[in-house]
Amino acid sequence: QVQLQESGPGLVKPSETLSLTCTVSGGSIGSYYWSWIRQAPGKGLEWIGYISYSGSTSYNPALKSRVTISLDTSKNQFSLSLRSVTAADTAMYYCAREGYNSGNAFDIWGQGTMVAVSS
Amino acid sequence: DIQMTQSPSSVSASIGDRVTITCRASQGVSSWLVWYQQKAGKAPNLLIYDVSSLQSGVPSRFSGSGSGTDFTLTISSLQPEDSATYYCQQLNSFPYTFGQGTKLEIK
Repeated sequence: QVQLQESGPGLVKPSETLSLTCTVSGGSIGSYYWSWIRQAPGKGLEWIGYISYSGSTSYNPALKSRVTISLDTSKNQFSLSLRSVTAADTAMYYCAREGYNSGNAFDIWGQGTMVAVSS
Repeated sequence: DIQMTQSPSSVSASIGDRVTITCRASQGVSSWLVWYQQKAGKAPNLLIYDVSSLQSGVPSRFSGSGSGTDFTLTISSLQPEDSATYYCQQLNSFPYTFGQGTKLEIK
């Protein structure tokens, strides 16, 4: 079955760029939409944005000026780049798949990776 | 942005109880309403999509209903493993938004 795995640094300095990768295994990255979602400690869920199998993107306006999501179909991966981070970007970051057979809901999630922003 | 408001923020119930969680959208979301369950330290898990469709593998004691702006998640007979935080989400328009969550505790 399809599985997602996030990877990247667990600590990023303020003003630097947070970079994470989500690796898709057990299936192709093609034909789906792929999202990043984050959750600050003790808080709720925030959708960051998505990328489609064709490379089209949509971002949360609250983060749009700092976010880029990209796709590498040859590696079955998609990535998140968040620039100029502050302590407010400290969160668990999840990647997830929008499922065609699940009303475009996020039917498969990675386990998440915790990123702290601190000097 | 569409604001999603859940109530209650927390609830405590006994095994076998019927539990209802409400989600209200600030504007209509058609049928683009889903529910997730998140257990402590885990990623969210999809329970319900399209307001009332049960995701494969989810126990039938979970059900969803509603329309327009008002939606409900119901657990018909609470089980110990249902202790979790539940989130609604709208997929009607960007940005996708979630409710603030409802924490369900077992008495």
